[in-house]
Amino acid sequence: QSALTQPPSASGSPGQSVTISCTGTSGDVGSYNYVSWYQQHPGKAPKLMIYEVSKRPSGVPDRFSGSKSGNTASLTVSGLQAEDEADYYCGIYAGTNNLWVFGGGTKLTVL
Amino acid sequence: QITLKESGPTLVKPTQTLTLTCTFSGFSLDTSAVGVGWIRQPPGKALEWLALIYWDDEKRYRPSLKSRLTITKDTSKNQVVLTMTNMDPVDTATYYCAHRPPIATAGNAFAMWGQGTMVTVSS
Repeated sequence: QSALTQPPSASGSPGQSVTISCTGTSGDVGSYNYVSWYQQHPGKAPKLMIYEVSKRPSGVPDRFSGSKSGNTASLTVSGLQAEDEADYYCGIYAGTNNLWVFGGGTKLTVL
Repeated sequence: QITLKESGPTLVKPTQTLTLTCTFSGFSLDTSAVGVGWIRQPPGKALEWLALIYWDDEKRYRPSLKSRLTITKDTSKNQVVLTMTNMDPVDTATYYCAHRPPIATAGNAFAMWGQGTMVTVSS
């Protein structure tokens, strides 16, 4: 059960767009659409931002979008705002063998 | 409104057993396809899924920790309990419980999380 691979950091200026990648294998990201993304501010609990690759829970701004290609999922934050500065984790349910796996996290800095 | 709250000891000694309780409201573990999971996060590190229990009492565990983990539920009290045996300093982490709603609602994701409880393992 290996962790998904994320870049440790990403950054962008207010108003810009930034994309965070999440790379797995053909056995997890490549096979399942249960990819989710979580936002975590310092000292706070994670918050679900995207589920099933590209769906947004109620209340999540449409500036947040998700996609997947092959073994790599991506989270794009458009129109960056100061409050988007946080850690972002991808996660996946990869079936009854791999179950739930998270990425290593990406620290997003708004310059 | 769904809420979850973790409770348990803040400090345990090496080799001891940790028992954490998740008390929730706003949903029922009697509802088909609902689950409650436990996830931990060592200081400054990534999230790590530990265990999940479904409405029908089916249980899933992280393979590498399966021998040390037990998850149970008390539907009448709206509680889920996680026990972890033989605690080690590397188990020092914030432990979260989280609601996994039916797949049609949030696609096997953890839709709502508790605030977390920090557990330190030290003699």
